[in-house]
Amino acid sequence: SAVISQKPSRDICQRGTSLTIQCQVDSQVTMMFWYRQQPGQSLTLIATANQGSEATYESGFVIDKFPISRPNLTFSTLTVSNMSPEDSSIYLCSVESSNTEAFFGQGTRLTVV
Amino acid sequence: QKEVEQNSGPLSVPEGAIASLNCTYSDRGSQSFFWYRQYSGKSPELIMFIYSNGDKEDGRFTAQLNKASQYVSLLIRDSQPSDSATYLCAVLSTGGGNKLTFGTGTQLKVEL
Repeated sequence: SAVISQKPSRDICQRGTSLTIQCQVDSQVTMMFWYRQQPGQSLTLIATANQGSEATYESGFVIDKFPISRPNLTFSTLTVSNMSPEDSSIYLCSVESSNTEAFFGQGTRLTVV
Repeated sequence: QKEVEQNSGPLSVPEGAIASLNCTYSDRGSQSFFWYRQYSGKSPELIMFIYSNGDKEDGRFTAQLNKASQYVSLLIRDSQPSDSATYLCAVLSTGGGNKLTFGTGTQLKVEL
């Protein structure tokens, strides 16, 4: 299984600001995924980050709000822009293995005040 | 209609008992199914995956899949207090790209 390092692990941010979350994988992967888990809820896919092309966003998520970078096969960033308290959530980076199961980073617990 | 449904629980079982966790899904063409365990404040970790109808056993865990009924379950034998967590069912969609759809999870409490 891949080892995924995600940072920061948590942050408290002021509304209107932006936070960039980093995800580093110990091996090259084709696709990286960004999920959001709101309090008491399950995981919702935000977007799929592909190296060399623009990220693919799920319904309800837009690039202006959640810009994603994927500069190489081991790294990706997710930015949460112009934050509001509704963005308070856990953000998770994941990659898939050859069996298509997903492995997750430690998550970033974001609180917007 | 939710794509992946689970009873939110909490499901309480005594230590040493069998815990049975259930999941139904709506995409009849789904082929891959996963169970994740998530402790409070932690990220999900994979327990098992199953692709074929029937049972798949791994230690104290057994995954069961019935594609005709669109039903997948997880049995935990000899439940331990350390098994207390939220269990997430995930289904690989047959749409474009390999995207996992997660259920809302079942909270399991194993009581002494």
